[in-house]
Amino acid sequence: GQNIDQPTEMTATEGAIVQINCTYQTSGFNGLFWYQQHAGEAPTFLSYNVLDGLEEKGRFSSFLSRSKGYSYLLLKELQMKDSASYLCAVLDSNYQLIWGAGTKLIIKP
Amino acid sequence: DAEITQSPRHKITETGRQVTLACHQTWNHNNMFWYRQDLGHGLRLIHYSYGVQDTNKGEVSDGYSVSRSNTEDLPLTLESAASSQTSVYFCASSESRFHTDTQYFGPGTRLTVL
Repeated sequence: GQNIDQPTEMTATEGAIVQINCTYQTSGFNGLFWYQQHAGEAPTFLSYNVLDGLEEKGRFSSFLSRSKGYSYLLLKELQMKDSASYLCAVLDSNYQLIWGAGTKLIIKP
Repeated sequence: DAEITQSPRHKITETGRQVTLACHQTWNHNNMFWYRQDLGHGLRLIHYSYGVQDTNKGEVSDGYSVSRSNTEDLPLTLESAASSQTSVYFCASSESRFHTDTQYFGPGTRLTVL
C-alpha cells in the first residue's frame, strides 16, 4: 500500500530552527508537496520538490531524497505564527496526491 | 482577486437526510476536488473533476456524489447522511490536471451528523 509518515507533533522555541521529516512509500513518484495549515483554516502551499536536493524559500527550505523516500521541511528563525500543522503530500505514478496525516508544530516563547 | 468559497461553513444535520455542500471558484480552473479531513488521517479524496460534465471517484467516494455543470461549481451531495460522515470538508481547485502546481483550498465546511 501507499504510506506517508510524519511525526504527529513537535515542539520548538521561538527563534530556533526545526526540521519536520516525511518518509514515503508510494507507487511511483512525481513530486512532493508541503502545505501549511493553521488551526481551523485551509491548507496553503509551501513548496514542491521533484528533484533531489534542497530548495530554499525565505525562512523555509524543503529537501528531497528520492532514493531514500525522504523529505524534510526546515523552518528557521521560528515565529509564533509558524504554529500550525505541516502536511506532506506525494504525487504518485497516476498523478494522485497521497497525503500524510500532518505534523502539528507548537512554538513556545 | 480570484478565490474559492464554500457554503455553509458549519452544518448540523440528522442521520438519513440529504445534504449538499457548495463549492465555487473564480480561478477559472478546470480541475476541482473534494476532500475530507479527520483527526489522525491525512486529507482523503472524495471526488474530483477535470472539467464540465467530468466527475471521478476518489479514495472514499461511497455515500457521496458530485456533478459539474459549469466551470465554477462542484457541489458535493451526501445522499443519506451517516454519523461516519461527520468531518471537515475541503474543496480545492488547480490549474494543472497533473497536480504539479499548487492546489487552492476553500475555507472548509464543518459537518456534524447526529
